[in-house]
Amino acid sequence: EIVLTQSPGTLSLSPGERVTLSCRASQSVSSSYLAWYQQKPGQAPRLLIYDVFTRATGIPDRFSGSGSGTDFTLTISRLEPEDFAVYYCQQYGSSPITFGQGTRLDIK
Amino acid sequence: QVQLVQSGAEVKKPGASVKVSCKASGYTFTGYYIHWLRQAPGQGLEWVGWIVPHSGVTNYARKFQARVTLTRDTSITTSYMELSSLRFDDTAVYYCARGVGAPIFDYWGQGALVTVSS
Repeated sequence: EIVLTQSPGTLSLSPGERVTLSCRASQSVSSSYLAWYQQKPGQAPRLLIYDVFTRATGIPDRFSGSGSGTDFTLTISRLEPEDFAVYYCQQYGSSPITFGQGTRLDIK
Repeated sequence: QVQLVQSGAEVKKPGASVKVSCKASGYTFTGYYIHWLRQAPGQGLEWVGWIVPHSGVTNYARKFQARVTLTRDTSITTSYMELSSLRFDDTAVYYCARGVGAPIFDYWGQGALVTVSS
């Protein structure tokens, strides 16, 4: 199975800052099948990005994804207060579907 | 609007079984896979398996294959996950989610907390 390693584990940032989150796969992700989700406390995850860089419906353009092969990133160009949450990457190119362990964004 | 509404929290003893439901509305139930995932307290997400509502065909993660059963009732647009031989480390929030494409999960249920406690 593909293991996804996210870094860093936690980030403390201020609104308005730019942030880049990393997701590294243990082997190449097939067909660029890499997604990102946001999860807030007590809520289900929300789909942000799929197929590496395609924003899901209703997701603001401050969120962007990039990468290929084994290295992927999620960038938030300018943090809004509602962006402080946990972010997970997911690969769906190989079975079983797997997720990273998450990166927590905290308000500084 | 698309909604997935799950049944409520459960407390079970080790060795027991639990069955969680997921009622879909706002879209054609038979047109999309339903996936089940879980999240242990303070942990990440783990994929459990999927069911094709149209046919009832299922696929399970190897870890859960011996203990999980996914079913559906198309007449009431509801999917079910039953997990047997519960262990303490099965304590988690169990989610259903609609699968699209390869898949990604575009709509999620609100989650159902299953607590395994003696």
